[in-house]
Amino acid sequence: DVKVTQSSRYLVKRTGEKVFLECVQDMDHENMFWYRQDPGLGLRLIYFSYDVKMKEKGDIPEGYSVSREKKERFSLILESASTNQTSMYLCASSPPDLLIFEKLFFGSGTQLSVL
Amino acid sequence: GIQVEQSPPDLILQEGANSTLRCNFSDSVNNLQWFHQNPWGQLINLFYIPSGTKQNGRLSATTVATERYSLLYISSSQTTDSGVYFCAVSSAGGTSYGKLTFGQGTILTVHP
Repeated sequence: DVKVTQSSRYLVKRTGEKVFLECVQDMDHENMFWYRQDPGLGLRLIYFSYDVKMKEKGDIPEGYSVSREKKERFSLILESASTNQTSMYLCASSPPDLLIFEKLFFGSGTQLSVL
Repeated sequence: GIQVEQSPPDLILQEGANSTLRCNFSDSVNNLQWFHQNPWGQLINLFYIPSGTKQNGRLSATTVATERYSLLYISSSQTTDSGVYFCAVSSAGGTSYGKLTFGQGTILTVHP
């Protein structure tokens, strides 16, 4: 069965800390994504990656960076956490763009609180 | 970029009622998916439906691509249908890499 695993369900960090959110998928998917979800705003794309060591900015990349050293793992990094980065973070993966069966599979999310 | 609007923002039903959720989008799409987010936050893909009609049990979806909207029908609703329903699309033309733009969601509450 399809599985996208996020390392933490809940995280509490201090302002200014460096934060790592980890995501692993076991489906050999090329594409991986990081979204954040805020009430009333839906999901907004932060970064995505379509191959190892490749990354593209999404709609709201400011304050974030990513790393994809292996195909199965995609990390989101908050270089210096701020209170406005308190949010639910969702990782997702999908097969390559040209496949007919093009679905997005999500992890269960990380609720990050920055104090 | 492409805009996605969902309606209604909130919906409250009694168990057994039927409902229709709507998703309007501003441009041609090559990918449209409906998701359900349960109260624990897990997002589950319901339909991949860039055009046409699909059914899965009590749920069905129709996308009229030429008129830029999609509808999700829930029949005989159950309390387990509660949660947030999202529509997500990717714009036709170019390579999207499966990148989806989400609407704000419809919050559905089903009372017993």
